[in-house]
Order: sequence, then C-alpha cells, then structure tokens
Amino acid sequence: AQSVTQLDSHVSVSEGTPVLLRCNYSSSYSPSLFWYVQHPNKGLQLLLKYTSAATLVKGINGFEAEFKKSETSFHLTKPSAHMSDAAEYFCVVSESSNTGKLIFGQGTTLQVKP
Amino acid sequence: DSGVTQTPKHLITATGQRVTLRCSPRSGDLSVYWYQQSLDQGLQFLIQYYNGEERAKGNILERFSAQQFPDLHSELNLSSLELGDSALYFCASSVVGSGGVYNEQFFGPGTRLTVL
Repeated sequence: AQSVTQLDSHVSVSEGTPVLLRCNYSSSYSPSLFWYVQHPNKGLQLLLKYTSAATLVKGINGFEAEFKKSETSFHLTKPSAHMSDAAEYFCVVSESSNTGKLIFGQGTTLQVKP
Repeated sequence: DSGVTQTPKHLITATGQRVTLRCSPRSGDLSVYWYQQSLDQGLQFLIQYYNGEERAKGNILERFSAQQFPDLHSELNLSSLELGDSALYFCASSVVGSGGVYNEQFFGPGTRLTVL
C-alpha cells in the first residue's frame, strides 16, 4: 500500500531563511507525488507535482521539490521564506489505480518569524 | 479561487440530526471527491464519484452517503450525527477518474461542521 510520512509536524524559520519540509513515501512502483498547501481557514492549493519528467520539480511561489528514488523522499524547499508562506503543508501520493484517491501525510505546520 | 464551490461554509447542528453538504465541481471536471479533515485523523478520503457513478470508497461511515447528479454536482449526506463527526469536509474535483500524475485535484473551501 502507498503511504507518505512527513517527518516534522512543525517547522519554524525566520523570514528570509531557507525552508525545508521533509517527506518520505512508500510505494511499490513509481509514485505520483504532490505537495499541497492549506492557509488558515482556506481550502487546499496545489503547490507542485512530480510527473517523472524531471526529478527537480518547480512549483508556485518559489517552492521546489526533489524526487529521490534511492532515498524514497520528496522534500519541499524554498530558498527564502516569506511571512505569507506560514501555512500547513501536505505531502500527498495518488494511488496509481483506477481510482483517484489521494493519500495525505499528517501535515507540517510552517511558522515564519519576522 | 479553485473553481470548486461548497455550501454551506459553516453548519452547526445537534447530535442525532441529518445534514447535507453540497459541492459543485470545476467546469469540465467529471470526478468529485469528498475528504474529511479532523484534528485526530488528519485528512482522510471518504468517497469518489466519476460521471455519476461511485468509483471508490474510503473510510466512510455507513451513516454517511453521497451521490453525484447528472449536472455533476455532488451531495454528501451525514445522518445520526455524533460529536465525533465535527470536522472540516472538503470536496475536490478533477478531470480524470483514475490515479497517477494527471490526477490533479482542485479543492473547494470546505464546510465546517460542528455537532453539539
């Protein structure tokens, strides 16, 4: 069965410093991976997705993620945090089957300090 | 704005009652998904409909049911409500009905259900 594990429930950074949100996945074959962001009292927004075309995936708002098969990881990074990045981030895997079920990690709360 | 609409935004009701949550997918999307977000369980998949037919079921209680209508909007019915059903319920839509890299889902703003 496919699953994702987000290694940190809470990450705190200062504005202008790098962001690293860690995600490991478990899958018996090539996974379809996504990162979603949820701002307070908002729905979920897609940040980026891994399509197997490239291991380094660029998303919106300056976020990137690198797919590393040898480490079964899909970590999310941003070179410089902005106050508006404070939110909940979810690493997600899509079951490669005839259903579209998404499996969510437990989420990482990103706090950005001024 | 994702293009997915959900009504109502907030719902407060009592134990034992029944409520209906509504979702309109993005124009052109055939799949509708329902997810429940709670503090103890996180985000969990409930059920998927594709072009009017049930496609997949997740951790959905027997007290809960859903349907997708010919105009593709969907309703999630929750009955015999319990305190533990208090949660944020999201609807999402996508063009495809299967998994994989094309399964990009667009989420609505959610319905916050409070059961007193």
